[in-house]
Amino acid sequence: KNQVEQSPQSLIILEGKNCTLQCNYTVSPFSNLRWYKQDTGRGPVSLTIMTFSENTKSNGRYTATLDADTKQSSLHITASQLSDSASYICVVSDMNTGFQKLVFGTGTRLLVSP
Amino acid sequence: EAQVTQNPRYLITVTGKKLTVTCSQNMNHEYMSWYRQDPGLGLRQIYYSMNVEVTDKGDVPEGYKVSRKEKRNFPLILESPSPNQTSLYFCASSLFGQRFMNTEAFFGQGTRLTVV
Repeated sequence: KNQVEQSPQSLIILEGKNCTLQCNYTVSPFSNLRWYKQDTGRGPVSLTIMTFSENTKSNGRYTATLDADTKQSSLHITASQLSDSASYICVVSDMNTGFQKLVFGTGTRLLVSP
Repeated sequence: EAQVTQNPRYLITVTGKKLTVTCSQNMNHEYMSWYRQDPGLGLRQIYYSMNVEVTDKGDVPEGYKVSRKEKRNFPLILESPSPNQTSLYFCASSLFGQRFMNTEAFFGQGTRLTVV
């Protein structure tokens, strides 16, 4: 069973609208939670990294939140643009191996429509 | 420019013909890793390396080999490729150690491999 679950699997929104993507995880203990943006056929690019003690982090129009008690995170995209069309991947760093091991969600595919 | 470079970007090969996918980083990172990405599945780790001559298996190592003779390079070797290794492959690098655990991991641009 995947330890990082994302919802929805896919989403279509109109340009200019806001949206929120969800991530639930069971990885424990963890050192940080990351959100990546992945354009089709390209490598993931980091948007935010939050440690377990942080509850929000922004990067331009992207704002990530983290609730370590409920093991939930969200990524909020404000005033969406066509270039935001991509997959967004939630990644949790698993500490059980004694060093950083990344556990990936399957991603939310976002399409921003004109 | 800080980057992770993979080659080739696209590769079509036949079953059983040995191939190597190269990965190079220019950030002096100790930690390097290979992942494969398949539809409906998250990225899964194949092998990783914590430094020169130190490698270990990830979650899906069967059918793959790696080597780490130099810090900057981490090639992925498929000795006898099979169709179930058709996938999108990514190399990644980052700093290694307790104090670097919350630093960024950089990914290559990907290699799309098709085994027929």
